[in-house]
Amino acid sequence: EMQLVESGGGLVQPGGSLRLSCAASGFTFSSWSMSWVRQAPGKGLEWVSYLSSTGTIYYADSVKGRFTISRDNAKNSLYLQMNSLRVDDTATYFCATGGGYGSWGPGTLVTVSS
Amino acid sequence: DIQMTQSPSSLSASLGDRVTITCRASQAIRNDLNWFQQRPGKAPKRLIYDATTLQSGVPSRFSGSGSGTEFTLTISSLQPEDFATYYCLQHNTYPRTFGQGTKLEIK
Repeated sequence: EMQLVESGGGLVQPGGSLRLSCAASGFTFSSWSMSWVRQAPGKGLEWVSYLSSTGTIYYADSVKGRFTISRDNAKNSLYLQMNSLRVDDTATYFCATGGGYGSWGPGTLVTVSS
Repeated sequence: DIQMTQSPSSLSASLGDRVTITCRASQAIRNDLNWFQQRPGKAPKRLIYDATTLQSGVPSRFSGSGSGTEFTLTISSLQPEDFATYYCLQHNTYPRTFGQGTKLEIK
């Protein structure tokens, strides 16, 4: 069974940085593309970033130039480096598998506030 | 960017009712559309992929239809566990875009 678990969320001041991790198990992580999706409190889902198994990367315009997606296949892990954080980046961040989002982690909450 | 317009934004229904949720894409996306269910405080769960294919383990009362620009999710007979928020997602083009969500509540 595919399992994903996010970590690294927390409270950070505007302008600060945070690195999220997503630990994967139960499948051949290196063969799968992965994505980050976020959800602001009480709001809908927003796609954030995508990283294919071969290194193709896409970002939402709202995070381009500030966020960096990466992966370590040896550690079965996906990452999201978030810099220059803004109040409107406050959200629960989910990692999900593939381009079709078949499996999701439970999410990790990022709060950007002074 | 492709805009996904989902309707209605909220819906009140009774146990046993048949309900339909619609998503319209701002341009044709073939059948590159998924439907998700999200319960409060939980991660989304994929119900339908590629517009019509039922995810393994999802009850057969859920069904999807459509292609091109218009898509529907139908729940044939509402059960207590179905009261949740539903989202569509187009996976035809980047950036991926979700519908605004439909909150399904008990009447």
